Amino acid sequence: AQKITQTQPGMFVQEKEAVTLDCTYDTSDQSYGLFWYKQPSSGEMIFLIYQGSYDEQNATEGRYSLNFQKARKSANLVISASQLGDSAMYFCAMRGYKLSFGAGTTVTVRA
Amino acid sequence: EAGVAQSPRYKIIEKRQSVAFWCNPISGHATLYWYQQILGQGPKLLIQFQNNGVVDDSQLPKDRFSAERLKGVDSTLKIQPAKLEDSAVYLCASSLEFSPNSPLHFGNGTRLTVT
Repeated sequence: AQKITQTQPGMFVQEKEAVTLDCTYDTSDQSYGLFWYKQPSSGEMIFLIYQGSYDEQNATEGRYSLNFQKARKSANLVISASQLGDSAMYFCAMRGYKLSFGAGTTVTVRA
Repeated sequence: EAGVAQSPRYKIIEKRQSVAFWCNPISGHATLYWYQQILGQGPKLLIQFQNNGVVDDSQLPKDRFSAERLKGVDSTLKIQPAKLEDSAVYLCASSLEFSPNSPLHFGNGTRLTVT
């Protein structure tokens, strides 16, 4: 069984600062993918970044980077230089044969 | 490329009524998913199709929910009869491959309110 834990229900961050969103996971699969999605108040689910379980380098996509620590089963998302448009719900997800989501973290960027 | 299309965008029904949602995945995507997202929670997988076959429906309340994917493309999700606790956003997603490194692409969802 897969389990994804996001312990931060909500976070505030100042514009232009970096923020780290925590995610830990548990799985018995050897091959799996870790994903982060953004869900603005409008409701759509936007794919941000992916990390494969066999990837040795941490994934980066623009201002998003994924801090992958396999031994600790952690896949934290770092958003650098926060913008007002980053205010949203962020979900960590893991995929073996199906994609399971954590409970999410609400990020509010302050001007 | 066109994204995942869902309709309707919003639906309000009374309990015990029936409702159906439609999804058209990204062209060429073999795998299709229906998720239920209750307000303030993460999405929960209801059913997963690979082409027109069901891969996983373990969390689908089969006494009231049904889904089909005819011809391996479009899909419909039906609730009959609806209960108050079915109020949620129903998200459809598709992925190119049935593999751990293939991201899911989501539609805008259908927001269902059961009164």
